[in-house]
Amino acid sequence: KAGVTQTPRYLIKTRGQQVTLSCSPISGHRSVSWYQQTPGQGLQFLFEYFSETQRNKGNFPGRFSGRQFSNSRSEMNVSTLELGDSALYLCASLPRGQGKGEAFFGQGTRLTVV
Amino acid sequence: GENVEQHPSTLSVQEGDSAVIKCTYSDSASNYFPWYKQELGKRPQLIIDIRSNVGEKKDQRIAVTLNKTAKHFSLHITETQPEDSAVYFCAAIRVETGANNLFFGTGTRLTVIP
Repeated sequence: KAGVTQTPRYLIKTRGQQVTLSCSPISGHRSVSWYQQTPGQGLQFLFEYFSETQRNKGNFPGRFSGRQFSNSRSEMNVSTLELGDSALYLCASLPRGQGKGEAFFGQGTRLTVV
Repeated sequence: GENVEQHPSTLSVQEGDSAVIKCTYSDSASNYFPWYKQELGKRPQLIIDIRSNVGEKKDQRIAVTLNKTAKHFSLHITETQPEDSAVYFCAAIRVETGANNLFFGTGTRLTVIP
């Protein structure tokens, strides 16, 4: 079965712009979570969606937002980009929540802000 | 919220030796602890997990131990091979929340020297 698909794989944006990243989970998985990966900070939780509802949110500014569609595909948006937003953005999907199955990660979207 | 600390940040071992990575967590309610391996340029993948009702779990050359009282858990890799070289992340979560927001450690870069 197809894995978690993230698009695009690479993005270069300038400061002040906004960006939208997409994550298509494994078929049947209703939970999608997003993480920001940077060399110094590791994997930091952004937010999680389940059945089109945001269930949890990490400690990121309001410039970071997301949504989930009825087919479980999720998007995250970052507005007014800053240089520090340069990172690898990963999404992970699960049938429901943690501990009830393996979380599968996508390949990530590498965002570079110049 | 949960805070997971991971040590060491880098670890080099000779091929065939053992490697140990340690993590501590702050929330005593956390009861599911997965470990992820991320090879260079690839997505994180689950390699082993442990629940709080067991103290140790083994899968071939890898094992994880959990000390609930001390709130720490460790990954043990025996007979290391060059293909074990990767970044390893520990994580913690309370599964009853049904959530998919893993709290990750900052990662350990393991290098196995042939």
